[in-house]
Amino acid sequence: DAKTTQPPSMDCAEGRAANLPCNHSTISGNEYVYWYRQIHSQGPQYIIHGLKNNETNEMASLIITEDRKSSTLILPHATLRDTAVYYCIVRVVAGGTSYGKLTFGQGTILTVHP
Amino acid sequence: DTEVTQTPKHLVMGMTNKKSLKCEQHMGHRAMYWYKQKAKKPPELMFVYSYEKLSINESVPSRFSPECPNSSLLNLHLHALQPEDSALYLCASSPSPAQRRSYGYTFGSGTRLTVV
Repeated sequence: DAKTTQPPSMDCAEGRAANLPCNHSTISGNEYVYWYRQIHSQGPQYIIHGLKNNETNEMASLIITEDRKSSTLILPHATLRDTAVYYCIVRVVAGGTSYGKLTFGQGTILTVHP
Repeated sequence: DTEVTQTPKHLVMGMTNKKSLKCEQHMGHRAMYWYKQKAKKPPELMFVYSYEKLSINESVPSRFSPECPNSSLLNLHLHALQPEDSALYLCASSPSPAQRRSYGYTFGSGTRLTVV
């Protein structure tokens, strides 16, 4: 699976949008971009995923550049409960033997301030 | 039911003890996983089960022994552990590629293991 690069930490004011970048310049055509987050002492939580189109769900939006070499996770109105480590992961969804290997990088520690 | 349940939540064991961690899901997922997470580090994959068969072992020491008795249950048997094995052990499940109902993994809250 392709490697990702994320900033180690970011701050955001409560109520503002949090934009978390991820670089995945070696991504392959059959690899999806996934975002998970982990709140302290809990298991990772799935947020969103996408292949090449922008995606939105009730938690967040995912913007993938046209060349697919980078993406941005957007939390539109951050709250204190969004303080967590955010992981950007790229992986093949189906086929071969790699579908089971969800490999976490170091992630971004997002701190939302009052 | 959209959860992965792990028991116990906390476990303290001696280096000569034998203990087991349990993981259960009722989402019909046919792939299940064990991850290990040390403090301030990302989760690391240990084992992958697909349709109740071990498909990936990430060179985990034999003192960790996984078992998948049925499609809903995943165990991790522990024996002769070392203090450096103290960590948060996470279980996860996902649909297999053949199921394709969703692409997200669902994680449990983990078992915090301390080896003394």
